[in-house]
Amino acid sequence: QKEVEQDPGPLSVPEGAIVSLNCTYSNSAFQYFMWYRQYSRKGPELLMYTYSSGNKEDGRFTAQVDKSSKYISLFIRDSQPSDSATYLCAMSGNSGYALNFGKGTSLLVTP
Amino acid sequence: DSGVTQTPKHLITATGQRVTLRCSPRSGDLSVYWYQQSLDQGLQFLIQYYNGEERAKGNILERFSAQQFPDLHSELNLSSLELGDSALYFCASSAGVMNTEAFFGQGTRLTVV
Repeated sequence: QKEVEQDPGPLSVPEGAIVSLNCTYSNSAFQYFMWYRQYSRKGPELLMYTYSSGNKEDGRFTAQVDKSSKYISLFIRDSQPSDSATYLCAMSGNSGYALNFGKGTSLLVTP
Repeated sequence: DSGVTQTPKHLITATGQRVTLRCSPRSGDLSVYWYQQSLDQGLQFLIQYYNGEERAKGNILERFSAQQFPDLHSELNLSSLELGDSALYFCASSAGVMNTEAFFGQGTRLTVV
């Protein structure tokens, strides 16, 4: 079993919808949680970074971490066609050395 | 543009050959990370260098090696290439040791034929 599990999708939503992306993990040592967005043929781009449990908001994006359930989420409000991309969750332990990535969820926002 | 530069963008080579991938980190960043991305495995951490010293190793094969030079650019050397080494190779950099805010380059697409 991989340490980080992420539904690959694809997830297709209409423009303006609220999108919910999720990851589960098995390693209770993970303390740092990140979401990356990757457009086709591009490198991953850091969207959100959260330490330990709780919520963090940045514009239309909200990241949630529930360490008790080993579950993290990314919410995208008022989704736009430009949000169409693959979203990767990543996490690491206290050492922070190695990021453990999910395989990514492909999102398509249709006009 | 993340500020991390990788060359070349594409590389096609034959099995058994050796290639070198190059990465220039963002200005001021001391850490460089190498990742391999394939369809079946996703993004896999290979190795990290911090200010010229190897800091952490992930799932890096013995046929692969890396180094970080005094000017902080890094090279990933892949030798005795196999078909299964075909993948996207990403370099990322961060200011410090922690990779929680790492910025990725555009990647090098390696095809082994």
